[in-house]
Amino acid sequence: QVQLVESGGGVVQPGRSLRLSCVASGFTFSSYSMHWVRQAPGKGLEWVTLISYDGSKKYYADSVKGRFTISRDNSKNTLYLQMNSLRSEDTALYYCARAPPFGNAAFDIWGQGTMVTVSS
Amino acid sequence: SFVLTQPPSVSVAPGQTARITCEGSNIGSDSVHWYQQKPGQAPVLVVSDDRDRPSGIPERFSGSNSGNTATLTISRVEAGDEADYYCQVWDTSSGHWVFGGGTKLTVL
Repeated sequence: QVQLVESGGGVVQPGRSLRLSCVASGFTFSSYSMHWVRQAPGKGLEWVTLISYDGSKKYYADSVKGRFTISRDNSKNTLYLQMNSLRSEDTALYYCARAPPFGNAAFDIWGQGTMVTVSS
Repeated sequence: SFVLTQPPSVSVAPGQTARITCEGSNIGSDSVHWYQQKPGQAPVLVVSDDRDRPSGIPERFSGSNSGNTATLTISRVEAGDEADYYCQVWDTSSGHWVFGGGTKLTVL
């Protein structure tokens, strides 16, 4: 079945780095745009970043621009999020989500999320 | 940046109709998507492009969008509809996706 599985979360000190992964299955990964969305404990959803189906276009929220990098390996059906210079305000559950590669398509499939805690 | 405003909470009795609004400047010119998130679960798309229902979403869920307000309507509300609901649009000017703050639907 169509599935997204995130991993790589954990507890990290401020200023350190972490890389998240999202493995896709059950669909043609290379045909979809992919997103990372986060949710701080008890808070709402915050879009983080987007990568086009072929990796040629990337967009970032202002809150992470210059610190986070999205990438993908279509041969491995895997999406990545490299997070550098982490701050306490980056503490959140990080979801990956897919969207059809046209216009402003909705996020139709979501993973279950991986938790990132930034704390000394 | 583009701001979407939702009421923090909406309460409705079972069998009644719940309406959750999402306000934004000239939002009627954008495509609005709606997500349902139950406690401890990932969000689920319930309405896309203002009024389209993905496969598997009950007909009780519908959407509309005009002027400065988009609305998610849930008819014949059931206890299982209790969840947080988020609206979403693509802000063309900034190249960012924007979520509303979310609305907690309580079924009395």
